[in-house]
Amino acid sequence: GAVVSQHPSWVICKSGTSVKIECRSLDFQATTMFWYRQFPKQSLMLMATSNEGSKATYEQGVEKDKFLINHASLTLSTLTVTSAHPEDSSFYICSAPQGPSNQPQHFGDGTRLSIL
Amino acid sequence: AQKITQTQPGMFVQEKEAVTLDCTYDTSDPSYGLFWYKQPSSGEMIFLIYQGSYDQQNATEGRYSLNFQKARKSANLVISASQLGDSAMYFCAMGETGGFKTIFGAGTRLFVKA
Repeated sequence: GAVVSQHPSWVICKSGTSVKIECRSLDFQATTMFWYRQFPKQSLMLMATSNEGSKATYEQGVEKDKFLINHASLTLSTLTVTSAHPEDSSFYICSAPQGPSNQPQHFGDGTRLSIL
Repeated sequence: AQKITQTQPGMFVQEKEAVTLDCTYDTSDPSYGLFWYKQPSSGEMIFLIYQGSYDQQNATEGRYSLNFQKARKSANLVISASQLGDSAMYFCAMGETGGFKTIFGAGTRLFVKA
């Protein structure tokens, strides 16, 4: 079964709305989670590393005020796209490591975000 | 710097035939892991196979095998007896023990023909 749960799967909303995406680790604790963005027919682009109990680490070029990340517990990280605009439409996917960094990560099923 | 290269944007294979998806990598960390993921059109990332840098034998998982050539820094995925359901995007990825993030290649889209 899935070890990382991501919700919602689909979001369609109006421009200017803020959208929250949740990523939960099931049956294990994740002090770190990763948020990726993926455009059609492209690879995953790491946006930020979510750290439990501390600030997220953002990749270069990712707007911190646009993409708010909160890692309030050992099993939950949230990504909030604030004041979303059509250019924020994309596929967002989270992952969590269950072991050392040279081991594969567990991915959520992703969220398709469409901003009208 | 660590890097993953997948040079095949798209591949076609006839159903029931084998296909090899290429992946080369670059790292200075002696301890690392190589992974392949399948991403169907629905979007979820499905983990297929893992190869550790110190593993002596090539990894196999059912119809998937990883042709690991350490000296050449290549980690090609071999899918035997292709099925229509294998049509998807395939990503090669790497994680370093001394690192933190997983890095991904650009991906290869596989089309299986009936």
